[in-house]
Amino acid sequence: GQQVMQIPQYQHVQEGEDFTTYCNSSTTLSNIQWYKQRPGGHPVFLIQLVKSGEVKKQKRLTFQFGEAKKNSSLHITATQTTDVGTYFCAGKEGNTPLVFGKGTRLSVIA
Amino acid sequence: EAQVTQNPRYLITVTGKKLTVTCSQNMNHEYMSWYRQDPGLGLRQIYYSMNVEVTDKGDVPEGYKVSRKEKRNFPLILESPSPNQTSLYFCASSAYPGQSYEQYFGPGTRLTVT
Repeated sequence: GQQVMQIPQYQHVQEGEDFTTYCNSSTTLSNIQWYKQRPGGHPVFLIQLVKSGEVKKQKRLTFQFGEAKKNSSLHITATQTTDVGTYFCAGKEGNTPLVFGKGTRLSVIA
Repeated sequence: EAQVTQNPRYLITVTGKKLTVTCSQNMNHEYMSWYRQDPGLGLRQIYYSMNVEVTDKGDVPEGYKVSRKEKRNFPLILESPSPNQTSLYFCASSAYPGQSYEQYFGPGTRLTVT
């Protein structure tokens, strides 16, 4: 079945450093979504990518969808303490349910 | 306010004592789903429902039951809970998944089975 792998599992950065998490699927995806879960909270939708090679930005966050639609990345420029949390990618293949990666937990040291 | 609600938020119970976690959404979403979250394992889908009276197994359905008698409600039933079902549970909903809408998550239910 479809698998979505996400790396790294953990990332500790100094405030102001950049951060990137990567997501790879075993199959070609129809779209990929990204979620953020703050400590003690629930996952919250960030963005959805649909097109091959698509790049979307939200302030300091840049999301990319690979040309082959099998990988994606989330890059945060100049991290802040408010970026702390776990970032999940979730891939979708056709009409099947979303499959979540295991997430990357980001810690930001002030 | 558009939201997904879950009850209870916290539950400590004993092995074998049947329990139900309720989930309700007020967004008229067709798709609802249950996940469990465990350290290092991410979000794993238990069951999902594409519409009323339609439910399907996710990745980890053993030991769980669900029902979808009404569009807004999707309760999770543990007929005979065991300690390995100690976890953080999330209910989620979205508009019809075939069109890839975002999922809205409830606040979570932390279950401990002793």
